[in-house]
Order: sequence, then structure tokens, then C-alpha cells
Amino acid sequence: QVHLVQSGAEVRKPGASVNLSCKASGDTLSNYYVHWVRQAPGQGLEWIGIIDPSDGSPNHAQKFQGRVTLTRDTSTNTVYMELSSLRSDDTAVYYCAREMAAVAGAPLDYWGQGTLVAVSS
Amino acid sequence: DIEMTQSPTTLSASVGDRVIITCRASQSISRYVNWYQWKPGKAPKLLIYSASTLQSGVPSRFSGSGSGTDFTLTISSLQPEDFATYYCQQGYSTLTFGGGTKVEIK
Repeated sequence: QVHLVQSGAEVRKPGASVNLSCKASGDTLSNYYVHWVRQAPGQGLEWIGIIDPSDGSPNHAQKFQGRVTLTRDTSTNTVYMELSSLRSDDTAVYYCAREMAAVAGAPLDYWGQGTLVAVSS
Repeated sequence: DIEMTQSPTTLSASVGDRVIITCRASQSISRYVNWYQWKPGKAPKLLIYSASTLQSGVPSRFSGSGSGTDFTLTISSLQPEDFATYYCQQGYSTLTFGGGTKVEIK
């Protein structure tokens, strides 16, 4: 059984950075595309970015250009998302999710439990 | 980005009811739609992928249909454990999600 376990809740001040982790068990995460998605309070789901399994290269939504860094550590089966220059509207629950292999249309078959990031002065 | 318009926002239903949730894409996305169930404090669950394929382990009372711009998720006979929020997601281009449908107890 595959499990994605995310790091715990974080509180940051505006302008700070946060580094979230997503550790997999039950399968090798580096064999799959891994996405990051967030949900702000009372808002919808927003795609942040993706890590390519072939070489670990990241891609992200344009709105996060210059602020998000997506990485992976194959030795620990973990992916990371760092978000910098935090603003109050970055307050959200952040999810990692694994994309189902060999199926077009990016179905996300396993998700982490989510990490709450609260940005407040 | 492709916009996914989901309706209704909230749905009140009883156990045993047939429930239909719709999702409309702002442009044609073939069959690249996936449906998820969200419950508070739990990881989201993939129900349907590629518009109509039931994910392994998901009860057969869940079904999906549609292509192009219009898609539906149907729960044939609502069960107590189905009260949750449901989201559609398109994977034709940069991922976007519908606004969600909360299925409440009537």
C-alpha cells in the first residue's frame, strides 16, 4: 500500500520561506510524476507544480515563478517544495500527489494528508 | 488556463438518492477529466479517471461520463459514507480543478 506522508504544520511571517516534505512508502516515488496542489481557506484547488520522474526536473505554474523550488531526494523517497517570499494569501493546505503511471490526463491516485501553512505577522 | 465550472456547489440528498454532479470545461478537453472525493482530515481519493474509468477499489455505484466539454459524476444510490465534497480536475493542459460540490445530508 502506497502512503505519502507530509511534514507538519508551519507558521511563518510574511517574507519568510517554508520547506515542505512529502515522503513515500510502499513504492518508489521517483518513478512517478509528483504534483503539488494547494487549497486556501474557502478557496478552490490550485496547481503549483510538478517533478518529472525521468530526471527530477521541475515545472510550475507561472504565478509561482521565482518563488517555488521543487526537488526530490531519491535516497529517502522524498520530494520537497520550498516556497519563498511568503504572503498572507499563501496561507493554505498544501498537498503532494502522485500521478498515476501510464494514464493520460494526470489522474492523481495517491495524495498526502496535507500540510497547513499559515502566514501571519 | 482551462476553467472547470462545477455544479451544483452544494447538494442536499438522502441515503439511497441518485446524485449527479456536473463539470463543464471552458474548452474541449477530450476525456481528460478525473473526479475526487474529499473528506475533512483525510487524503483526497481518486474515484474516476479518464472521464469514465472506475479507480480500483471504488464502489460501482460511482460512475462518470462525458467528453469534450461536459462531464458528469453519478452516484447511483447514495450511501452514508458518500457525504463529502467532490471535485473534478482536467489533465488536458496545466491542471485545473472545479470549484467543488459538497454533498450534504438532507
